[in-house]
Amino acid sequence: AQKVTQAQTEISVVEKEDVTLDCVYETRDTTYYLFWYKQPPSGELVFLIRRNSFDEQNEISGRYSWNFQKSTSSFNFTITASQVVDSAVYFCALSEVGGSYIPTFGRGTSLIVHP
Amino acid sequence: GAVVSQHPSRVICKSGTSVKIECRSLDFQATTMFWYRQFPKQSLMLMATSNEGSKATYEQGVEKDKFLINHASLTLSTLTVTSAHPEDSSFYICSANRRQGSETQYFGPGTRLLVL
Repeated sequence: AQKVTQAQTEISVVEKEDVTLDCVYETRDTTYYLFWYKQPPSGELVFLIRRNSFDEQNEISGRYSWNFQKSTSSFNFTITASQVVDSAVYFCALSEVGGSYIPTFGRGTSLIVHP
Repeated sequence: GAVVSQHPSRVICKSGTSVKIECRSLDFQATTMFWYRQFPKQSLMLMATSNEGSKATYEQGVEKDKFLINHASLTLSTLTVTSAHPEDSSFYICSANRRQGSETQYFGPGTRLLVL
């Protein structure tokens, strides 16, 4: 069975600080996909990134970066120089070939960025 | 731009009434759509998989007669909450894959249901 753990329930930072959101997953499949979504107060899920299990390259997109490490089953997300607009709930998700690619979501991490 | 829409975005209804929520794929055909439910400060929980032209597949613990799903066309799935009660108040989100077997789901904007 697949499982996603986001141990941080809530993180509070001051603007311009860097912040890392942790995600640890469990799966028996060798082929799987990992995702990060942002959910602002409006509720809509915003797709941020998808990474497949065969691609461990880290990725950077502007102030966002992702660190995928299969050895520790982690897919952490870092926001550099955080801004108030980054305040949202962030979900990590895992989908497997064996699970028909239906994602399992972590509990989410609420990020609050104070001005 | 958005590829999946939902209507309405929010609805308030009286206890005992039924509420229909629509989910549409805007620029692609979706043979399969998914319905999720999210309680405040909680994660998304899959309720059911909606299959075009056939019965929906419900997750364990989800009442089929309570949450009626109809997927009558390749671009539209509807979720009807029948005889709604206050405990049904939640955020309902649908999703679809752009193509069958795709690993990425695109989510609708969600529908906030408040049952008084």
